[in-house]
Amino acid sequence: GAVVSQHPSWVICKSGTSVKIECRSLDFQATTMFWYRQFPKQSLMLMATSNEGSKATYEQGVEKDKFLINHASLTLSTLTVTSAHPEDSSFYICSASGSGTPKYSPLHFGNGTRLTVT
Amino acid sequence: AQKITQTQPGMFVQEKEAVTLDCTYDTSDPSYGLFWYKQPSSGEMIFLIYQGSYDQQNATEGRYSLNFQKARKSANLVISASQLGDSAMYFCAMREDNAGNNRKLIWGLGTSLAVNP
Repeated sequence: GAVVSQHPSWVICKSGTSVKIECRSLDFQATTMFWYRQFPKQSLMLMATSNEGSKATYEQGVEKDKFLINHASLTLSTLTVTSAHPEDSSFYICSASGSGTPKYSPLHFGNGTRLTVT
Repeated sequence: AQKITQTQPGMFVQEKEAVTLDCTYDTSDPSYGLFWYKQPSSGEMIFLIYQGSYDQQNATEGRYSLNFQKARKSANLVISASQLGDSAMYFCAMREDNAGNNRKLIWGLGTSLAVNP
């Protein structure tokens, strides 16, 4: 089945630094990538949707300049948390779908990244 | 208005017994899909089962089955013969096919299932 690889699995960074999270589709072309944030024991909160080669569409309340999303190729999307602060600590997870994928096919998820900002 | 409702924040079940996790949804789109995902404590999202709005039969995948009642707008997940490894968060999600939304999923708040030995 389709595989999405997300790195790193966990990261600890200092307040004020930037952190980049990568999401790669390993065996299919991911035309659309979704980036989610999840707080402990809560549901997934969609942050943004990105289509390859175009600017990401951010959900209401998500700071575009804070969470930079790049989807420059059909196999890679990145989320950069800029000038991270402790309140940015969370679980971030990506998912991807490819062109021509049947509507009954599930989204393919990465394994997530646990970000801790100290 | 919340489009996916999971009313059970937490559920307990005895090992080897069956358990039903509730999910109701709201949409005006005649074509939609319903998904169930499992999220263990490690964090990965594991796809369990899919039900399309036009599917005539309830979906089944191994020990998982979906009790789809379209008129009531419910899509409950039934797990038979529960195992300790079934302890996890379970999320119900919906995709509206005609919304032009890049296959975006609408998520419920989840149900935490604990299987007791």
